[in-house]
Amino acid sequence: GNSVTQMEGPVTLSEEAFLTINCTYTATGYPSLFWYVQYPGEGLQLLLKATKADDKGSNKGFEATYRKETTSFHLEKGSVQVSDSAVYFCALRDYGQNFVFGPGTRLSVLP
Amino acid sequence: KAGVTQTPRYLIKTRGQQVTLSCSPISGHRSVSWYQQTPGQGLQFLFEYFSETQRNKGNFPGRFSGRQFSNSRSEMNVSTLELGDSALYLCASSLASGKADTQYFGPGTRLTVL
Repeated sequence: GNSVTQMEGPVTLSEEAFLTINCTYTATGYPSLFWYVQYPGEGLQLLLKATKADDKGSNKGFEATYRKETTSFHLEKGSVQVSDSAVYFCALRDYGQNFVFGPGTRLSVLP
Repeated sequence: KAGVTQTPRYLIKTRGQQVTLSCSPISGHRSVSWYQQTPGQGLQFLFEYFSETQRNKGNFPGRFSGRQFSNSRSEMNVSTLELGDSALYLCASSLASGKADTQYFGPGTRLTVL
């Protein structure tokens, strides 16, 4: 079946550092890929998505590119802020199937 | 447009009881999915409903059930509660069930089983 693997962390960075959270997937078809973010005490919010190979999703300074050849969708941000501290989930969805989420990566940004 | 709402937000039950959680999707959304989130198991898919029909189901025992009404509102029921059912239950809605349809999550219902 389909699956998502991501670094579980926790990841601790200083403010203005560069962020990369790795995400790789296994899928039988050609899924859409998503990054969601969960702040403490809240539900998940969509951060960005990409629906086909080579698409780049971007939002709030975060970017991720759908790489079919490496089955990856790594999340990057050039300069993190304390307010980016949260748990980040990589996910995929293929036609006719439910969402599959990775285990989540906890990010802590220190001032 | 109002977001996904879930009621109640917090619930405390004892073992053996049953519980019903409610989810109201974003207006116009016809697909509703439910997830269980725990520190140990992460985010686990329970089931998805689209136009009152269950489309997909996760690997949970039959004590977990759900339904969707004609107005797209959804409920999930857990019978004979166990301590391990303590979790955050998240509901998510989307316009449809296509692979590009984004899911929008509610704030969750925190269930504690004593």
